[in-house]
Amino acid sequence: GQNIDQPTEMTATEGAIVQINCTYQTSGFNGLFWYQQHAGEAPTFLSYNVLDGLEEKGRFSSFLSRSKGYSYLLLKELQMKDSASYLCAVRSNYQLIWGAGTKLIIKP
Amino acid sequence: GAVVSQHPSWVICKSGTSVKIECRSLDFQATTMFWYRQFPKQSLMLMATSNEGSKATYEQGVEKDKFLINHASLTLSTLTVTSAHPEDSSFYICSAGGTVGSPLHFGNGTRLTVT
Repeated sequence: GQNIDQPTEMTATEGAIVQINCTYQTSGFNGLFWYQQHAGEAPTFLSYNVLDGLEEKGRFSSFLSRSKGYSYLLLKELQMKDSASYLCAVRSNYQLIWGAGTKLIIKP
Repeated sequence: GAVVSQHPSWVICKSGTSVKIECRSLDFQATTMFWYRQFPKQSLMLMATSNEGSKATYEQGVEKDKFLINHASLTLSTLTVTSAHPEDSSFYICSAGGTVGSPLHFGNGTRLTVT
């Protein structure tokens, strides 16, 4: 089968760093996406990895290891507005397989 | 950047009626569009995948005769909820993508309330 696993919930402190992991098992691989979703809103695109390595975009970085079926999203200098759900998704040909999302709670 | 327009953003309808939701890619050609529903405090649930010019592929448990999807052009897909019931009340979101490796872009979602 095809599945994506990520933690259900994580808590971190404002100003700190947090890493959200995502592991996947899919029949094909055409890229891994991270999305941020605030409650009641549609997801917004954060990052896209198709090759191994780290992609940095400001406070957010995303890492991919295709051989391990593993990715993480790294958020630095956490702000209260980063409280949201973070969704990992793998594109396999024309299918998009979603993780259940990680709810990130930021505490002052 | 790429924009996906979803309309309406909010609709209330009576039980037994049908509602059509439109999803348009405004500045790119969307080879594939995805339709999701999301209940409060839950993750996205993929309903169906539609490729332009072909029949939609529905996920297990999604009634294709109830949720009609049309993707007649590279810039427009529609989801029609037929004979709506209160349990169909949900947040429906579309996303669109171009080539296989390109990121998906989401519409703002449609909040459907069936009374």
